[in-house]
Amino acid sequence: RKEVEQDPGPFNVPEGATVAFNCTYSNSASQSFFWYRQDCRKEPKLLMSVYSSGNEDGRFTAQLNRASQYISLLIRDSKLSDSATYLCVVYAGNNRKLIWGLGTSLAVNP
Amino acid sequence: GAGVSQSPSNKVTEKGKDVELRCDPISGHTALYWYRQSLGQGLEFLIYFQGNSAPDKSGLPSDRFSAERTGGSVSTLTIQRTQQEDSAVYLCASSPGLAGTTQYFGPGTRLLVL
Repeated sequence: RKEVEQDPGPFNVPEGATVAFNCTYSNSASQSFFWYRQDCRKEPKLLMSVYSSGNEDGRFTAQLNRASQYISLLIRDSKLSDSATYLCVVYAGNNRKLIWGLGTSLAVNP
Repeated sequence: GAGVSQSPSNKVTEKGKDVELRCDPISGHTALYWYRQSLGQGLEFLIYFQGNSAPDKSGLPSDRFSAERTGGSVSTLTIQRTQQEDSAVYLCASSPGLAGTTQYFGPGTRLLVL
């Protein structure tokens, strides 16, 4: 089992749709969680951290379920500019390296 | 402020040659990472430097790959006797503190081995 798993997609949705991605992780001791966004042929950039109580940033909502060991990202009112690959990232603590998922591809269509 | 910079932005080399890729992290960032990303693939961790600690080299794919970080700042990734399968984008990232903090990526070096 991979340490961090994501559905690769692609997710094809119309503008204005709501779309959700899940990411599962194997290490129950994981401490920190992030969603990054990567545009085609560009470097990854932080979208948002994921907090235990869940957090929202505009149209984006991130949630953590420690019992089931998954995090989620919800995008409301999708825009064409949301088309990208969304990367799930997990930090297990003890100053070890971050573990990256392979990403979920999203295409928002007009 | 200045972000992470990498040079060269593109590199074309012949099979068997050595290449050096450079990364300038954000000033003051103690952690530095190298990743590799092949076309359409996910990030592949290569190596991680944290302050003065011994680097985590667990991701280096072979002994042809090595990296160093001088003075806790600039890092160089060296690939010896390049092979065609080394062709990829090599990304460098830095972060201000412990490994669990946000990583800031450079634009990458696109390496093509002919």
